[in-house]
Amino acid sequence: EAQVTQNPRYLITVTGKKLTVTCSQNMNHEYMSWYRQDPGLGLRQIYYSMNVEVTDKGDVPEGYKVSRKEKRNFPLILESPSPNQTSLYFCASSLLSGAGGGYTFGSGTRLTVV
Amino acid sequence: QQQVKQSPQSLIVQKGGISIINCAYENTAFDYFPWYQQFPGKGPALLIAIRPDVSEKKEGRFTISFNKSAKQFSLHIMDSQPGDSATYFCAAMGTGGGADGLTFGKGTHLIIQP
Repeated sequence: EAQVTQNPRYLITVTGKKLTVTCSQNMNHEYMSWYRQDPGLGLRQIYYSMNVEVTDKGDVPEGYKVSRKEKRNFPLILESPSPNQTSLYFCASSLLSGAGGGYTFGSGTRLTVV
Repeated sequence: QQQVKQSPQSLIVQKGGISIINCAYENTAFDYFPWYQQFPGKGPALLIAIRPDVSEKKEGRFTISFNKSAKQFSLHIMDSQPGDSATYFCAAMGTGGGADGLTFGKGTHLIIQP
């Protein structure tokens, strides 16, 4: 089954403790992206990647890092999480950035930073 | 600067009625306008999409109307059903080869009352 898999689904952590949210897709998509969803703010792009070793900032990149060492994986790294990063995170992938919006989203990771 | 404005924020419609959600955009480089449907605990899923060379696209009970001169587009759900209760996001992107991803509206929480 074609899918984007995120782990973990739920995570509670303390301020300053480094964490990684994994994202993996099995569709051989070039384009991958991370979004955060907050009430009243919709989905905002954090980082995206056009292909292996090619990443760039989205609209809200502060406090986040990403890497794309393999085509299928695109982990999101929070080096020093803060409470304002409490949010619902989604990873998405697409064949190409200009593929016309045919993004496949993961099921989300709900992160709470206390 | 919000590039895609969506309204209303929430909407209650009686079963069998027509649900209408509106979006407006600012960036004239946008040339692809998808709508995503999100159920609780799930990631957004592509519902229907339109390009500006047509003014309307219909798929089953779902119709997108597009007004290029006004830079507006809307989603109409005919014969709304309780199973349509979800959060709907409009989005926009330019497919001209740039790396930018989807820009989302803030979402509409739709409730269909039986």
